Amino acid sequence: GENVEQHPSTLSVQEGDSAVIKCTYSDSASNYFPWYKQELGKRPQLIIDIRSNVGEKKDQRIAVTLNKTAKHFSLHITETQPEDSAVYFCAASINTGANSKLTFGKGITLSVRP
Amino acid sequence: KAGVTQTPRYLIKTRGQQVTLSCSPISGHRSVSWYQQTPGQGLQFLFEYFSETQRNKGNFPGRFSGRQFSNSRSEMNVSTLELGDSALYLCASSLRAGYDGGYTFGSGTRLTVV
Repeated sequence: GENVEQHPSTLSVQEGDSAVIKCTYSDSASNYFPWYKQELGKRPQLIIDIRSNVGEKKDQRIAVTLNKTAKHFSLHITETQPEDSAVYFCAASINTGANSKLTFGKGITLSVRP
Repeated sequence: KAGVTQTPRYLIKTRGQQVTLSCSPISGHRSVSWYQQTPGQGLQFLFEYFSETQRNKGNFPGRFSGRQFSNSRSEMNVSTLELGDSALYLCASSLRAGYDGGYTFGSGTRLTVV
């Protein structure tokens, strides 16, 4: 089955700096890659996603890039703010219908120092 | 529009006991997936139910089971609890079977086994 790995496991940045979180996946058939943010004590929420026919997607301060050849994708956060501090999960799915399922990485704890 | 509701929010059980957790999906959503979240292991897929049928199952022992009712509400049961079952159990609902990008997570049930 699919295996998703995230690196590093923790990341600390200074407020205003950029943060990059990387994920790798194992199944070349995976074609949908969402990112979830989970603040302390709260539920995971989708923040951005990308499909395999797109190399990059941006939404204000966040962007995701995908390298299908290398089977890795990354989350980029620019101008980080303290409220960006959270656990970020990447995931991969073979989104081909009723039997698709989402496989998550183990999560990365991002700390933004004020 | 009400979100995904999980009850109870917190549970403390003793080893060997059994426990039942409940998840009410967003109105109109027919798919419910369950995940176990533990520190360092991230979100691990337990199972997915759609129209009262289990469509997908993760790699968990048979002590973990679930079901879905005609109103799409789902329950998961863990029998013969072990200390390692202590975790946050999250459910996510979506409109259709499989992962279609429309996952909404509940706030979870935190189970502590002593």
